[in-house]
Amino acid sequence: DAGVIQSPRHEVTEMGQEVTLRCKPISGHDYLFWYRQTMMRGLELLIYFNNNVPIDDSGMPEDRFSAKMPNASFSTLKIQPSEPRDSAVYFCASSFGIAGNTGELFFGEGSRLTVL
Amino acid sequence: AQKVTQAQTEISVVEKEDVTLDCVYETRDTTYYLFWYKQPPSGELVFLIRRNSFDEQNEISGRYSWNFQKSTSSFNFTITASQVVDSAVYFCALSDYAGGTSYGKLTFGQGTILTVHP
Repeated sequence: DAGVIQSPRHEVTEMGQEVTLRCKPISGHDYLFWYRQTMMRGLELLIYFNNNVPIDDSGMPEDRFSAKMPNASFSTLKIQPSEPRDSAVYFCASSFGIAGNTGELFFGEGSRLTVL
Repeated sequence: AQKVTQAQTEISVVEKEDVTLDCVYETRDTTYYLFWYKQPPSGELVFLIRRNSFDEQNEISGRYSWNFQKSTSSFNFTITASQVVDSAVYFCALSDYAGGTSYGKLTFGQGTILTVHP
């Protein structure tokens, strides 16, 4: 079975440009998460969805960040305009949230963003 | 607010040594979940274990073992007879208990970089 698929794997852009990161969760999973990893802040949750509905976006740093999940098999994280401090690895993860599950999050390989 | 502390930033051992990674957590919840994830050099995050707060039984899986002590809010991870392939960053994490499941809203520790030398 395919795991969580993220694209692009690497993105280098200039300050002020729009960046769109994409994620395809594992089929059948009803929770989708966007995490960001930086040296300074470690791994932090940005937003998560349940059945395509955003549940908690309190981790989204500011209005420049937005996330959507138009259907069960696709989500985007958009940064507009991008800034150098947005440079990080962005992980998408999905899980199957029924009672008794293992609680395992399945992570994608991450999208490494560098904003110059 | 939840908090996870991994006091060891980096650990370096020689192959076949045993190594313990410490994890201390803070939460006001009476029920919660604890996790360990591994991040190898390739970058992905790999699930290792989940433990419910109401189950303090220690667990062993091959060379891996976990010691959960609610009284000290600790969930330590031991690798026995370490191998070079164990070199990775290891994260401890904490999540809410949501009606019997844990849906992945995790608070991660800062991670411990483990290097196993041949």
